[in-house]
Amino acid sequence: GENVEQHPSTLSVQEGDSAVIKCTYSDSASNYFPWYKQELGKGPQLIIDIRSNVGEKKDQRIAVTLNKTAKHFSLHITETQPEDSAVYFCAAPKDTGRRALTFGSGTRLQVQP
Amino acid sequence: EPEVTQTPSHQVTQMGQEVILRCVPISNHLYFYWYRQILGQKVEFLVSFYNNEISEKSEIFDDQFSVERPDGSNFTLKIRSTKLEDSAMYFCASLQDTHTDTQYFGPGTRLTVL
Repeated sequence: GENVEQHPSTLSVQEGDSAVIKCTYSDSASNYFPWYKQELGKGPQLIIDIRSNVGEKKDQRIAVTLNKTAKHFSLHITETQPEDSAVYFCAAPKDTGRRALTFGSGTRLQVQP
Repeated sequence: EPEVTQTPSHQVTQMGQEVILRCVPISNHLYFYWYRQILGQKVEFLVSFYNNEISEKSEIFDDQFSVERPDGSNFTLKIRSTKLEDSAMYFCASLQDTHTDTQYFGPGTRLTVL
């Protein structure tokens, strides 16, 4: 089964700065890597995802990069805003060919105004 | 935009009691999931459901748990005899079909077992 490690566990940045969160995975056959944002008291909301046939994907201020050789993927948030403050989770398929997700341990991002 | 809904938002129960958590997945989705999140911890997979049967389950999903799709819209998680350690947020998620990967999560049900 998949094992997903995420760091840092907490991240504090000044408004306008960039934030980077990193995850590693264990199963080299994994092919789909979503990132979820969870605000207090709410369910995880997908913010961006990437499939293993591309190395980078961008959506406005958010980007995800994937290094298949090293088995790690990262979330990049540029020009951070206070509303970006939340817990961010990376995930990967639990087992090859399955769709159930294994989540990382989460990163609490605090954007200081 | 279609969304996954869950009821109730908060359930308080006594240890040993049965609880049923309800979910309405997005209407044209075919795969359904339950996950749980113990306070301050990561989201953990419990079970997946497709074509009216369980397709995958984790070691957490023991005989005390069951899932059902009683009609064309609801998807339920039953815990037969709750334990203190079942206290957690329970999230339902749905996925459209075999050609997509994106799981959409509901807002969760907070289960408190006293």
